[in-house]
Amino acid sequence: QTVVTQEPSFSVSPGGTVTLTCGLNSGSVSTSSYPSWHQQSPGQAPRTLIYSTNTRSSGVPDRFSGSILGNKAALTITGAQADDESGYYCLLYVGSGTWVFGGGTKLTVL
Amino acid sequence: QLQLQESGPGLVKPLETLSLTCTVSGGSISSAGYHWGWIRQPPGKGLEWIGSVYYSGTTYYNPSLKSRVIISVDTSKNQFSLKLSSVTAADTAVYYCARRDSAAAGYNFDFWGQGTLVTVSS
Repeated sequence: QTVVTQEPSFSVSPGGTVTLTCGLNSGSVSTSSYPSWHQQSPGQAPRTLIYSTNTRSSGVPDRFSGSILGNKAALTITGAQADDESGYYCLLYVGSGTWVFGGGTKLTVL
Repeated sequence: QLQLQESGPGLVKPLETLSLTCTVSGGSISSAGYHWGWIRQPPGKGLEWIGSVYYSGTTYYNPSLKSRVIISVDTSKNQFSLKLSSVTAADTAVYYCARRDSAAAGYNFDFWGQGTLVTVSS
């Protein structure tokens, strides 16, 4: 069974930089995994921030960036703001037309 | 602007079949390259990809749900649907529909519905 791993929680100071990661129990994440990142506030539908590793969705501030770091996908928030406090989910393509979400990271800004 | 709206019963009895429909407005479900999918989120838990359908009827399913799921498309109504059989309390979740763009466009899940809560209870 394919499992996508994320840090359960992370904390960042306002104005600080934080990098969230997304790994695969069965190997490495690559651009062929088409990693995407989705932000979800309580009671809201997810919002896609980044897709295809590092492409920002329309209207997403450039303080959000995506990359591959080592064998994981990464989401970096540079200059964190209070309203970045949210849940962040990565999503990976795992082949045969199927996708798997990570368990999500709860980001606290304080 | 494309909009997706989920609809269906909010309460389903155990062992019955959960049925939801996603209505697409502001665009055609038959547009080439787009897949239409379902994602769910149990209360207080993470997101789970359920499956997707292409306008031609080609489907892909989460292997863990494959034996119980059918996703279909009705191009005449600009809708696609989810059926999940033999439900249990573990299937209680907010169900989202979403559009996914093609590989050439980076597989962007670019539009999401607002979600609908389905509770499994007798």
